[in-house]
Amino acid sequence: EAGVAQSPRYKIIEKRQSVAFWCNPISGHATLYWYQQILGQGPKLLIQFQNNGVVDDSQLPKDRFSAERLKGVDSTLKIQPAKLEDSAVYLCASSTRAGRGSYEQYFGPGTRLTVT
Amino acid sequence: GEDVEQSLFLSVREGDSSVINCTYTDSSSTYLYWYKQEPGAGLQLLTYIFSNMDMKQDQRLTVLLNKKDKHLSLRIADTQTGDSAIYFCAESAKGGKLIFGQGTELSVKP
Repeated sequence: EAGVAQSPRYKIIEKRQSVAFWCNPISGHATLYWYQQILGQGPKLLIQFQNNGVVDDSQLPKDRFSAERLKGVDSTLKIQPAKLEDSAVYLCASSTRAGRGSYEQYFGPGTRLTVT
Repeated sequence: GEDVEQSLFLSVREGDSSVINCTYTDSSSTYLYWYKQEPGAGLQLLTYIFSNMDMKQDQRLTVLLNKKDKHLSLRIADTQTGDSAIYFCAESAKGGKLIFGQGTELSVKP
C-alpha cells in the first residue's frame, strides 16, 4: 500500500512570496490533515478535511493560508504572502475516518519550507 | 484546554531500557499515541493505547497509562542505536485531530 505522498520536499522562498504544497493521501482515506511543525516543536493542526469538507480550520491563519481538497482526494495548502515565521515543516496525514476512535493517522514525509 | 508535555532529552546506553514520559490534560481523550520521527522524515506511528487500558505491550515497546494522573510512558527494552530519534506523545482530541507534545530526543550511545 502506497503511503502519503507530498511534494515538494523542500522549498526556499523570500518573504511576501507565495508557495503551494501538494498532498496525496492513502487511497480510500476519507480524512486528511495538514499539520505545521516548527523546529523543536510538535506538529500542530492547521486544517482537517473529511472528504472534501472542512471539519476543523480553527488554527489556520486565514489571512494568508488557504487549503482545498477538491474531489475529496488530493489536497493543496497555499501560503500567500509568506512570513519569516512560516518557516516550518508542513506535514500531511490521512486516516480512514475522523473522531476520537482509533483512526490511525499516517503521515507523509513533509515539505520543509524556509522563508528568507 | 488541551496540552501535552514531555521532557526534551533522554540519553541511554545501548542495551539499556529507555523510558519516555508524557503528561496530558484532556481527560476525554480516548486514545493516546506514540510516534517516532527520524531526521528529515515524517512521523511513524509506533503504538497507541485505549484510555480504558493501563498497559499495552508490543515486542520491545511497553506503554503504561495512569489515567488518574494523566500520565503516559513508553518503555523501549534493549535500546539500540537505531532507536535514536525524536519520540512524540499525542492525545486524540475532538474531531480526531492529534495534540502533540514537543517531543523527546532519545540519544543511544554505543
